[in-house]
Amino acid sequence: GQQVMQIPQYQHVQEGEDFTTYCNSSTTLSNIQWYKQRPGGHPVFLIQLVKSGEVKKQKRLTFQFGEAKKNSSLHITATQTTDVGTYFCAGPRDSNYQLIWGAGTKLIIKP
Amino acid sequence: SQTIHQWPATLVQPVGSPLSLECTVEGTSNPNLYWYRQAAGRGLQLLFYSVGIGQISSEVPQNLSASRPQDRQFILSSKKLLLSDSGFYLCAWTEGMNTEAFFGQGTRLTVV
Repeated sequence: GQQVMQIPQYQHVQEGEDFTTYCNSSTTLSNIQWYKQRPGGHPVFLIQLVKSGEVKKQKRLTFQFGEAKKNSSLHITATQTTDVGTYFCAGPRDSNYQLIWGAGTKLIIKP
Repeated sequence: SQTIHQWPATLVQPVGSPLSLECTVEGTSNPNLYWYRQAAGRGLQLLFYSVGIGQISSEVPQNLSASRPQDRQFILSSKKLLLSDSGFYLCAWTEGMNTEAFFGQGTRLTVV
């Protein structure tokens, strides 16, 4: 069945280092969405990418959608403690109202 | 603006007891509604979704059920809870077929 794989599961970084999470879909996606879930909180929508090869930036966050619309990445430059949380990607399942979710990448800032 | 309310925030229930979690959306009409469960440190598992009143699609066979008695109300129920039902339950809504999801604050359920 249709799957979205997300890696890594965890990433430990020193504050100020960069962070990247990757998503790969088994099928072409009409769009891909990114969410952030703070510890103890609920997922919050960050951005949606629709076009092949699209790149969008939100301050220190850079989101990319692959040319084949099957993969995507989120890169955070110079992480801060406020970036801590789990980042999820999600893409629509063909022909219905569901989103298929990646397993998430947990960003952990080393003390 | 649209808001989503989900309650209660936390719940501790004994095994075998019933469950009712409620979610309501304000500021929109005919939303698509979803119930997810998240085990500790894990991803989101879709349990049910609804595209209209009385329409429920189930993704995972289990002892949970969902109902949508009104356009902006979504209820998750169980007649008898199991230990394995513990988790973080999230209600969400979307406006369209491929649009972003907005989540409620979640209910942390512990079955003891």
